[in-house]
Amino acid sequence: QVQLVESGGGVVQPGGSLRLSCAASGFTFSNFGMHWVRQAPGKGLEWVTFIRYDGSDKYYADSVKGRFTISRDNSKNTLYLQMNSLRAGDTAVYYCAKDPSPMGGYAFDIWGQGTMVTVSS
Amino acid sequence: DIQMTQSPSSVSASVGDRVTITCRASQRISSWLAWYQQKPGKAPKLLIYTASSLQSGVPSRFSGSGSGTDFTLTISSLQPEDFATYYCQQANSFPWTFGQGTKVEIK
Repeated sequence: QVQLVESGGGVVQPGGSLRLSCAASGFTFSNFGMHWVRQAPGKGLEWVTFIRYDGSDKYYADSVKGRFTISRDNSKNTLYLQMNSLRAGDTAVYYCAKDPSPMGGYAFDIWGQGTMVTVSS
Repeated sequence: DIQMTQSPSSVSASVGDRVTITCRASQRISSWLAWYQQKPGKAPKLLIYTASSLQSGVPSRFSGSGSGTDFTLTISSLQPEDFATYYCQQANSFPWTFGQGTKVEIK
């Protein structure tokens, strides 16, 4: 079945780094754009970043621009999020989500279960 | 950035009730709007895309309407499994943005 499984979350000190992974299965990963979306505890949803099907274009929320980097390895069916210079405000559940389109479409049609990132000293 | 404003923030309703949630965009977004349902501790689930298209597998009691700046999600007859938080989201332009959410609670 179509599935996204995130990993790599944990507790990190302010200023630290973390890399999240999202393993895709059940669909042709290389045909679709992919996103990261986060949700701080008790708060709403915030779109973080998007990468096109072939990695040729990327977009970022202003809140993470210059600190986070999205990438993908289509040979491994895996999406990544490299997070540097982490702040307390980055504490959230991070979801990877599939786009219905290769170029950035109209919704998030498949979501992973999420991985928790806690930034604290 | 495009701001998305949902109303109400919460609604109390009974099983069988008709529930309507509205979402307003700060600028015109054509029909590039989606609706999601989220239950506690779970990932969001896509219900509606391009304002009125029902995602595969979603019950027909859910419907969406609107275009431009004003949109509506309607649950025609609320079921016990529909008690959750609902979010709208614009996909007209990056950064994609969400409404603040509407919690549908049991009356």
